[in-house]
Amino acid sequence: QLQLQESGPGLVRPSETLSLTCTVSGGSIRSSRYYWGWIRQPPGKGLEWIGTIYYSGSTYYSPSLKSRVTISVDTSKNQFSLKLYSVTAADTAVYYCAMWGEKNCFDSWGQGTLVTVSS
Amino acid sequence: QTVVTQEPSFSVSPGGTVTLTCGLSSGSVSTSYYPSWYQQTPGQAPRTLISGTHTRSPGVPDRFSGSILGNKAALTITGAQADDESDFYCVLYLGSGISVFGGGTKLTVL
Repeated sequence: QLQLQESGPGLVRPSETLSLTCTVSGGSIRSSRYYWGWIRQPPGKGLEWIGTIYYSGSTYYSPSLKSRVTISVDTSKNQFSLKLYSVTAADTAVYYCAMWGEKNCFDSWGQGTLVTVSS
Repeated sequence: QTVVTQEPSFSVSPGGTVTLTCGLSSGSVSTSYYPSWYQQTPGQAPRTLISGTHTRSPGVPDRFSGSILGNKAALTITGAQADDESDFYCVLYLGSGISVFGGGTKLTVL
């Protein structure tokens, strides 16, 4: 059973970079069966897909965030990471990492971590 | 930009049946979009209910079923229970690694 856990600062200053890491346990991030994604949810609002990465490093980003996002993978640590640049208050959200699997859905989710953008 | 549409809210009586839908701003939803459905209660991570249009995730009661109805994906809850009151989201896979969430439906059971 795969488990995912987000980690990173809970507070980021406006115009700075939001950085989060997702640690995967119970399976290998190098598995050809999985893709790894980031999803966010502003307070009181719906879910928004940010992007997805394959262990080889291939990335896929939401068109609306593509200019400000980088997702990377560290197979040696079984982790993948999110960087969101030039953040504003509108980027305040709970950020989830998730596994996209063979069923073509987000099949396993982290518990989520709240990131607040404020000075 | 592609928008995935869901009813903002829906209400169902206990024991009743409700169908939530997931559409596209332009075009029809087919199985090629691999529609999936997620349930979320306040303060919790989403729970995967349905993948690939109609395949229930392990442990999901069979009162939840997925289908294509007309030009939309659909989630039907048969025999709604009080603890089904939650937010429901669909995801459509657009290809080339791109996924899009619908805006979500807030289901009230009363």
